[in-house]
Amino acid sequence: SQTIHQWPATLVQPVGSPLSLECTVEGTSNPNLYWYRQAAGRGLQLLFYSVGIGQISSEVPQNLSASRPQDRQFILSSKKLLLSDSGFYLCAWSEERGSEQYFGPGTRLTVT
Amino acid sequence: KQEVTQIPAALSVPEGENLVLNCSFTDSAIYNLQWFRQDPGKGLTSLLLIQSSQREQTSGRLNASLDKSSGRSTLYIAASQPGDSATYLCAVRRYGQNFVFGPGTRLSVLP
Repeated sequence: SQTIHQWPATLVQPVGSPLSLECTVEGTSNPNLYWYRQAAGRGLQLLFYSVGIGQISSEVPQNLSASRPQDRQFILSSKKLLLSDSGFYLCAWSEERGSEQYFGPGTRLTVT
Repeated sequence: KQEVTQIPAALSVPEGENLVLNCSFTDSAIYNLQWFRQDPGKGLTSLLLIQSSQREQTSGRLNASLDKSSGRSTLYIAASQPGDSATYLCAVRRYGQNFVFGPGTRLSVLP
């Protein structure tokens, strides 16, 4: 069966520090991968999606970037965090774009 | 641009009640719709995926219906239990595009 992992589970970082969040999927090949952010009191916002290694699409302009160095690994990064980057970050995968999505446990990021 | 709304934003019911959660979308040309539940501080758990060609899907005590022409989906929960307490989200997508999520309905089932 397929499983999706995210780490760390929680992170507290000062403004201006770098960020690296990791997501890995097991039990499937060539998944579509997604990064979402869920801010307090707001809905789920799609940040990036990837249909293959090195293929990244950005949905909204922002202070973040994403990379997919391996088939089942998706990384969310920032060079300098802003207060507004605080939120709950969720990684998800699907077999193809728009088919049923499965989510990871999430990373709670607090920028202080 | 697709917009998804969910009413009510919050709902509190006594245990054992049957209940309906609503999801509305502005663009009826959807390919499929997915319902999720989210427990506090956790990721989303997929409940049901309903294709545009389907009218409903069932899983245990859950039944999701879809009416594309009116831009609505409902999630019916039978014989609610305290363990059903969570936030329920719906997401819709057009063919070849990504899902658009609603804001969710926070459900509390009181023992």
